[in-house]
Amino acid sequence: EAGVTQFPSHSVIEKGQTVTLRCDPISGHDNLYWYRRVMGKEIKFLLHFVKESKQDESGMPNNRFLAERTGGTYSTLKVQPAELEDSGVYFCASSPRQRTSGNTIYFGEGSWLTVV
Amino acid sequence: AQSVTQLGSHVSVSEGALVLLRCNYSSSVPPYLFWYVQYPNQGLQLLLKYTTGATLVKGINGFEAEFKKSETSFHLTKPSAHMSDAAEYFCAAGPMIYNQGGKLIFGQGTELSVKP
Repeated sequence: EAGVTQFPSHSVIEKGQTVTLRCDPISGHDNLYWYRRVMGKEIKFLLHFVKESKQDESGMPNNRFLAERTGGTYSTLKVQPAELEDSGVYFCASSPRQRTSGNTIYFGEGSWLTVV
Repeated sequence: AQSVTQLGSHVSVSEGALVLLRCNYSSSVPPYLFWYVQYPNQGLQLLLKYTTGATLVKGINGFEAEFKKSETSFHLTKPSAHMSDAAEYFCAAGPMIYNQGGKLIFGQGTELSVKP
C-alpha cells in the first residue's frame, strides 16, 4: 500500500513567486493534515481536512496560504506570494475516519521549500 | 494551552549505551502521546504511541516509552543504541477530542547521535 506522497520534494523559488505543493494521502483516508517546520522551530499544525471540508484551519499563518482538497482525494497547498519566512519543510499527513482520537497519523516525506 | 517540551536538542551516546530522550507535556487533561522519528532525507515515522491502558508502551526498533501522569512525562528509551538509531526524534501530543486527534502539538525535536 502506498504511503502519503508529496510533490515536489524540493522547491526553490524567489520571493514574490507562487508555489503549489501537492499531497496524495493514503487511499481511503478521510482525514488529511498539513504541518510545517520552519528552520529551527518545532513542527506546527496548519490545517485539517475531513474529506473535502476544512475541519480546522486555525494554524494557517495568513491569507497568503490557500489549501484545497478537491473531491476529498488529493490536496494542494498554495503559497502566493511567497515570503522568505515561508521557507521550511511542509509535511502532509493522513489518517482514517475515526470514532475516537488516538488513531495513528501517517506522515509523508515532506516538501522542502526555500524562498530566496 | 497544551505544550510539549523535549529536554535537549542534541543527545550523543555511544553504540551499545542506553538511549534516553526526555519529553514532558503540559495539559490539564492527559493527552494522547506519540514519538516519531525522522531519519535523514525521510519522512516522519511513528515509533510508538500511548492512548489508554498500559503505561509502558513498546514500539518499533526496540524503543519503549512510559507514560507517567504524576510527572507529566513520556520519556523514550532504548537499552542499547545502534548506529542506525541516529536520527531526529519528535515527541507529540494530541487532544482526546473526537475528530481532533490529528491536531498534534510537537516538541522541538531531539537529534540523536550515536558514536562508534
